[in-house]
Amino acid sequence: GQNIDQPTEMTATEGAIVQINCTYQTSGFNGLFWYQQHAGEAPTFLSYNVLDGLEEKGRFSSFLSRSKGYSYLLLKELQMKDSASYLCAVSNQAGTALIFGKGTTLSVSS
Amino acid sequence: DTAVSQTPKYLVTQMGNDKSIKCEQNLGHDTMYWYKQDSKKFLKIMFSYNNKELIINETVPNRFSPKSPDKAHLNLHINSLELGDSAVYFCASSQGAGGFGYTFGSGTRLTVV
Repeated sequence: GQNIDQPTEMTATEGAIVQINCTYQTSGFNGLFWYQQHAGEAPTFLSYNVLDGLEEKGRFSSFLSRSKGYSYLLLKELQMKDSASYLCAVSNQAGTALIFGKGTTLSVSS
Repeated sequence: DTAVSQTPKYLVTQMGNDKSIKCEQNLGHDTMYWYKQDSKKFLKIMFSYNNKELIINETVPNRFSPKSPDKAHLNLHINSLELGDSAVYFCASSQGAGGFGYTFGSGTRLTVV
């Protein structure tokens, strides 16, 4: 089966950098995904890692270590609009759907 | 223009009623999903259809019955609603079943009273 762990809540201030960690256990790894979900809205895709290393996309970067079953999402130059839940996800064993972690709620204050 | 549209957006109903949620996607994707997000924000897979064929049926009470008349539509019918069914239900679609490139609908907030 799959097991995904991420912190429940994090807080940070505008302009700061925050790292949201995700550890996972899965068989048949097909990549790790990060989604952002604002309150009352649908999740939206942020990043995808299938190989080890860092993927950078603007203010957001995502890192993967397959051997450690570990990923993180790095958010730089935080803005108030980054206040949201961040969901880590991996494919299920059959590779037929995404299994999500319970999400990390990030609160950015001024 | 909406890529994945769900109706209704809000649904308030009494225990014991039967209700349906509809989902349509215009992206040409061949796989569609239903997820349930509870009050703790945990997003859990319920069903997945690929080209109208059921490929995932997680441990969901059989009061929940998905129906896919064609690959652009996946509806969810719920019988004998219970208080614990209150949640936000998200429809999603993807090209292929690998999980890459999910597009979610805006969600249906179901409240059972």
